[in-house]
Amino acid sequence: DAKTTQPTSMDCAEGRAANLPCNHSTISGNEYVYWYRQIHSQGPQYIIHGLKNNETNEMASLIITEDRKSSTLILPHATLRDTAVYYCIVRLRNAGNNRKLIWGLGTSLAVNP
Amino acid sequence: NAGVMQNPRHLVRRRGQEARLRCSPMKGHSHVYWYRQLPEEGLKFMVYLQKENIIDESGMPKERFSAEFPKEGPSILRIQQVVRGDSAAYFCASSPPGRSEAFFGQGTRLTVV
Repeated sequence: DAKTTQPTSMDCAEGRAANLPCNHSTISGNEYVYWYRQIHSQGPQYIIHGLKNNETNEMASLIITEDRKSSTLILPHATLRDTAVYYCIVRLRNAGNNRKLIWGLGTSLAVNP
Repeated sequence: NAGVMQNPRHLVRRRGQEARLRCSPMKGHSHVYWYRQLPEEGLKFMVYLQKENIIDESGMPKERFSAEFPKEGPSILRIQQVVRGDSAAYFCASSPPGRSEAFFGQGTRLTVV
């Protein structure tokens, strides 16, 4: 079973920030938070990952709470092309032979014009 | 650097036939993963391979399914004697040594008729 909890669906207006929450209350000290997204009928796309510090790249920002029990993925200026299912996954970064990703059902984000 | 290449994109097989799905990882990537996605469901891990070795096949059905990643050439997921329940999207991902992000192909959609 996935170790994360996400809302089933969210809406966002085009041009606004999309804030996608994720709860991972049982995360252990050496587990990272990864975010992927899947646009309809396409392969999943890696977005970002982090351990405890906030992270930012060209796609998004990741805010992790101090107790690490939850995080928020931020798409600063959502576009229609950001409409997708967003998955929050917890995993050991250097996992040795245990590198599989355990996927939940994610959050279906609809960006509206 | 081309992304992860999967072929064919669509595959139709009759019940009892064999299905062969191919995956060429990104250049320099030595880790390959296969995932299956049934309609309206999340991805499910099947198998993790490195060159010539199966590292984790905990998600692979015990019968009819096999995977390989030879020294030369693409990774192959082979399904023998396909049944209707094998109809799904099969995604391959790869990651480079020392990195944890997985990069996915566009998938092969298998339909068993």
